[in-house]
Amino acid sequence: KAGVTQTPRYLIKTRGQQVTLSCSPISGHRSVSWYQQTPGQGLQFLFEYFSETQRNKGNFPGRFSGRQFSNSRSEMNVSTLELGDSALYLCASSLTPTGGGDTQYFGPGTRLTVL
Amino acid sequence: QKEVEQNSGPLSVPEGAIASLNCTYSDRGSQSFFWYRQYSGKSPELIMSIYSNGDKEDGRFTAQLNKASQYVSLLIRDSQPSDSATYLCAVKEDNFNKFYFGSGTKLNVKP
Repeated sequence: KAGVTQTPRYLIKTRGQQVTLSCSPISGHRSVSWYQQTPGQGLQFLFEYFSETQRNKGNFPGRFSGRQFSNSRSEMNVSTLELGDSALYLCASSLTPTGGGDTQYFGPGTRLTVL
Repeated sequence: QKEVEQNSGPLSVPEGAIASLNCTYSDRGSQSFFWYRQYSGKSPELIMSIYSNGDKEDGRFTAQLNKASQYVSLLIRDSQPSDSATYLCAVKEDNFNKFYFGSGTKLNVKP
């Protein structure tokens, strides 16, 4: 079974631009979560989608948004990029949105550099 | 805000030794716990999950959970240089599909 895929793998943008990242979950997984990872802050939860609905949201400004499509693929968008948005953005998929006994599997990540 | 605490390390052990990684969490109601390994520049990969008090073994890895003490650990037996990585402890909020991650412990296994 194919794993979680993310595109693009690397991205360089300048301040003020916007960016869209894409994630395709493991086949059959319906929940997709997004994380930002930086050396100083570690792994921070952005949001989680299930059945095209945002179920959970972390403490990030409104410049960070996302969506999920009917085939469970998800995109996240960052508008008005700031230097501090430079990070590894990770997508993780899981089978179900709630309950124990389930875990998340991570994609390879998108490395975003903001100049 | 639920917290997951890990010693950032680095933890250095010689090849063949046992590496012991520790994690504490703040939410007493947490039921699901995970250990991920992350190599530099790569994404986290799941090593083990544990849900019940006690030990769970998988090959050279043993996860230990003590809910009363809000403590979860990972033991790596016969450590290899290839085990050198950052190990992330994660706690799941079971009513929501929300995971809280520790900052990770960097492990160095010296040949």
